[in-house]
Amino acid sequence: DQQVKQNSPSLSVQEGRISILNCDYTNSMFDYFLWYKKYPAEGPTFLISISSIKDKNEDGRFTVFLNKSAKHLSLHIVPSQPGDSAVYFCAASPLQGAQKLVFGQGTRLTINP
Amino acid sequence: DVKVTQSSRYLVKRTGEKVFLECVQDMDHENMFWYRQDPGLGLRLIYFSYDVKMKEKGDIPEGYSVSREKKERFSLILESASTNQTSMYLCASSLVLGGYEQYFGPGTRLTVT
Repeated sequence: DQQVKQNSPSLSVQEGRISILNCDYTNSMFDYFLWYKKYPAEGPTFLISISSIKDKNEDGRFTVFLNKSAKHLSLHIVPSQPGDSAVYFCAASPLQGAQKLVFGQGTRLTINP
Repeated sequence: DVKVTQSSRYLVKRTGEKVFLECVQDMDHENMFWYRQDPGLGLRLIYFSYDVKMKEKGDIPEGYSVSREKKERFSLILESASTNQTSMYLCASSLVLGGYEQYFGPGTRLTVT
């Protein structure tokens, strides 16, 4: 039972354009969401997060949007750069309690020059 | 900066061997995690620990055990390695269980032949 889903295994975007990565979740108890970025042969690195009391969080070129009613979040990268080519994972957790992060399957983003 | 190190980057073992994967973090984090990453499946939690000598099963604990004798060190043990345990193994640590970002090591690519 996949509680966090990234339905696009891959995405290809032109350099300078906007990249939009999507993530859906099923557990209404999730109220904290994170995006991680992973390069080959490296561990994932934390990118940006959002709690359910917000619908948007921005950090430089990265913005995460949360739509709780749709149980959907998205990561926008603008403008996209070649160094953004990586696998992106979304993850979710209840903020309270002894719970773990649940990760999606990942989306491989390729930025074309 | 948090540093999470893993004992090996690449490991090749034979079926039936006992395998030890070690993870060390230097930020005094209470919580440590072991995941495996497989294509199309994302990161799946094997075991986690929220304190010394404490451990909890994750989503796929079968065939694995763990040990946490010191706060900074979390070991993953494959009692009798099998070919279906060929995977990328990732260790992570965090300050608070759930709701806060986890910091990952570089991963160990294990091949069981």
